[in-house]
Amino acid sequence: AQSVTQLGSHVSVSEGALVLLRCNYSSSVPPYLFWYVQYPNQGLQLLLKYTTGATLVKGINGFEAEFKKSETSFHLTKPSAHMSDAAEYFCAVIVETGGFKTIFGAGTRLFVKA
Amino acid sequence: NAGVTQTPKFQVLKTGQSMTLQCAQDMNHEYMSWYRQDPGMGLRLIHYSVGAGITDQGEVPNGYNVSRSTTEDFPLRLLSAAPSQTSVYFCASRGASSGNTIYFGEGSWLTVV
Repeated sequence: AQSVTQLGSHVSVSEGALVLLRCNYSSSVPPYLFWYVQYPNQGLQLLLKYTTGATLVKGINGFEAEFKKSETSFHLTKPSAHMSDAAEYFCAVIVETGGFKTIFGAGTRLFVKA
Repeated sequence: NAGVTQTPKFQVLKTGQSMTLQCAQDMNHEYMSWYRQDPGMGLRLIHYSVGAGITDQGEVPNGYNVSRSTTEDFPLRLLSAAPSQTSVYFCASRGASSGNTIYFGEGSWLTVV
């Protein structure tokens, strides 16, 4: 069964520091991969996605992620955290086999300290 | 361009009552899904559909029914509400026409007392 693992339910960084949110997936075929952000009491907003092609994907708000097939990872990074980045982040995978399900990780809450 | 529309946004139910959460999308997407979001557990897939007339169970289907009579609509029915179904529910859709980006509704906050 496919799964998505986000390492760390909570991550805390200082303003201006590097943001690194980790995501690993289990899949026997190349997946579609996504990062979504959720601000309190709101819906989910797409940050970036990988489908095919270049493995380094740039998204909104200065975020980027790199698909590493050998490591089955899709970690999200941002060089310099801003207070407005404080939110919950979800990694998701679509695997086009056995049902086309979209599976989400448990989420990582990012705290940004002044 | 409405995207994914969910109703109601808020609902309080008594244990044992039934209700339907409505979901509609206007993007002609093939795939539609229902998720529930609970603290510390991310989004868990309840049911999904790969096209009109086709539905399947996700991770947590018990206590919920779905149908997909049209491409646009994917209602979620709670058969006999239980306090354990208190949650935030999200409907989502995606399709090849949108590069398989997953679009979400705004969420439905459900409390079962």
